[in-house]
Amino acid sequence: DSGVTQTPKHLITATGQRVTLRCSPRSGDLSVYWYQQSLDQGLQFLIQYYNGEERAKGNILERFSAQQFPDLHSELNLSSLELGDSALYFCASSVDAGGPREQYFGPGTRLTVT
Amino acid sequence: QQQVKQSPQSLIVQKGGISIINCAYENTAFDYFPWYQQFPGKGPALLIAIRPDVSEKKEGRFTISFNKSAKQFSLHIMDSQPGDSATYFCAASLPVYTGNQFYFGTGTSLTVIP
Repeated sequence: DSGVTQTPKHLITATGQRVTLRCSPRSGDLSVYWYQQSLDQGLQFLIQYYNGEERAKGNILERFSAQQFPDLHSELNLSSLELGDSALYFCASSVDAGGPREQYFGPGTRLTVT
Repeated sequence: QQQVKQSPQSLIVQKGGISIINCAYENTAFDYFPWYQQFPGKGPALLIAIRPDVSEKKEGRFTISFNKSAKQFSLHIMDSQPGDSATYFCAASLPVYTGNQFYFGTGTSLTVIP
């Protein structure tokens, strides 16, 4: 168990809908990263938050957004969903701020868009 | 564009044998190279990591070899066991001040035959 929690575990929704994925980082970790894992694209970095502020952006679509709250949990919002958004979404956390570089991954949320 | 190239895509090894997975990168700014192990239905778990000022790092049966001039690094699993059957991902990260996000290889599915 990495100490990173993600909810829900599975999500099935229809095209055009909006969903919110939630992540709680390990205790003491200030950085949260979101990754998308699909069969054809592998693990792709989406976005990073550090202590409530956006730190880095990767291949994140404009339909997707994220935020990190004062208690350091993070939410990834996916809107106007398309079939191609079906994937596993992972959250990872790290200490950052000059500390160890290791990222610890949560169990993921499997999103199925029908 | 894939920043980290990983091979082979799949690997079958006899129990007790050596599993070798290779990765190559182009961006010389990468300064941290972790390997992750992922079992079906689980999030990636950190296995071992190396920095470019070290040519080799060993932890138990797992060894990373790093060739900075060739921009290549590899994972060696000695005395491979059926419990090692999983998907392995290499990754590379830019310096922390740019965000510490990981660029993952496409993964290697390892099967260890009893």
